[in-house]
Amino acid sequence: GNSVTQMEGPVTLSEEAFLTINCTYTATGYPSLFWYVQYPGEGLQLLLKATKADDKGSNKGFEATYRKETTSFHLEKGSVQVSDSAVYFCALSGDGGSQGNLIFGKGTKLSVKP
Amino acid sequence: EPEVTQTPSHQVTQMGQEVILRCVPISNHLYFYWYRQILGQKVEFLVSFYNNEISEKSEIFDDQFSVERPDGSNFTLKIRSTKLEDSAMYFCASSESAVRGNTIYFGEGSWLTVV
Repeated sequence: GNSVTQMEGPVTLSEEAFLTINCTYTATGYPSLFWYVQYPGEGLQLLLKATKADDKGSNKGFEATYRKETTSFHLEKGSVQVSDSAVYFCALSGDGGSQGNLIFGKGTKLSVKP
Repeated sequence: EPEVTQTPSHQVTQMGQEVILRCVPISNHLYFYWYRQILGQKVEFLVSFYNNEISEKSEIFDDQFSVERPDGSNFTLKIRSTKLEDSAMYFCASSESAVRGNTIYFGEGSWLTVV
């Protein structure tokens, strides 16, 4: 079945450092791919998404490119801020009727130190 | 910005008791969902609901679970007889459509502790 694997955390970075959080997936067909973020005390918020191969999703300085050949959707940001401290979840929805059935990775906790 | 709201934020209940978790989805959304996250584990899909009926459910969503849209705004998850392993964060979510890549909006979660 479909699955998502993302790098284990926690990740601790200094402000202005470069961030990469790896995410790979297993799915049949052409899933849609998402990154959700959960700030402390808040719910899951969509950060960015991509629905087809080579699409790049971007938001708030974060980017991720849908790589079909490597089945990956790595999250990157060139210069992190303290306010980016949160838990980041990679997710997919299958290529079919189950668009509401998101498959999540375990989440990666990011802490950014000033 | 419109948001999904959930109540209660935290509930402690005794094993065997019934629990109802409540949600108010975003007002023009037609698709509603429940997910859960057991501490330290992945966020897992429970059920999706559209047009007043369940459209999909996972293996987790067994006979002890039920969902209802009792009026035009609320969407509830009932756990009939809670077990210790039901302790988790329960997220309600909604979306405007079910097209490919559609955005699903999540609430802040209801933390359920079964003792």
